[in-house]
Amino acid sequence: SQQGEEDPQALSIQEGENATMNCSYKTSINNLQWYRQNSGRGLVHLILIRSNEREKHSGRLRVTLDTSKKSSSLLITASRAADTASYFCATDAWGRGTSYGKLTFGQGTILTVHP
Amino acid sequence: DSGVTQTPKHLITATGQRVTLRCSPRSGDLSVYWYQQSLDQGLQFLIQYYNGEERAKGNILERFSAQQFPDLHSELNLSSLELGDSALYFCASSVGTANSPLHFGNGTRLTVT
Repeated sequence: SQQGEEDPQALSIQEGENATMNCSYKTSINNLQWYRQNSGRGLVHLILIRSNEREKHSGRLRVTLDTSKKSSSLLITASRAADTASYFCATDAWGRGTSYGKLTFGQGTILTVHP
Repeated sequence: DSGVTQTPKHLITATGQRVTLRCSPRSGDLSVYWYQQSLDQGLQFLIQYYNGEERAKGNILERFSAQQFPDLHSELNLSSLELGDSALYFCASSVGTANSPLHFGNGTRLTVT
């Protein structure tokens, strides 16, 4: 089952604009990760935020995590045509009976950046 | 390039058949994961191996099995294939410790006709 629900399902913007994607999840987590997938290819890890962190930056990416609301957002600033891809949030919730890296993915947001 | 190699890239087979998907993890990674991506189910975790041992299992059908060999490469075996098994199958690897990201291969696209 999909733990993460992403919003919006699709986003279309112009180059230079910012893109914000949201993710909600249902259970307690240890970390939340964002991945990018170009059409038909493998997923690329973008950023990981631990459950005790509230905000993290990596280049043009900014991720926030609100564990009280069980939600996260990914902001891509000054978007480029090359950012066109699907973006997925994934939660990792290890504990008794499970293991690191058993990720539960959201349905993804399709981002289209027009030149 | 993630460093994870999956073969074959494409596989077309008939219902009832058996196929084997192969994965070579990134150098140094001990943990291998298999995920299935389909239009209706999205990305689903199937199974994880760590240094040759099964570590975690997800929604993997009984018709599917996997193993990790001493050289750390892994194989996913799919048998008695059904139309609904058509999907992208991804292998990912990681060092296997807490808060370590996954590195995905480019997947094997399986089409069952």
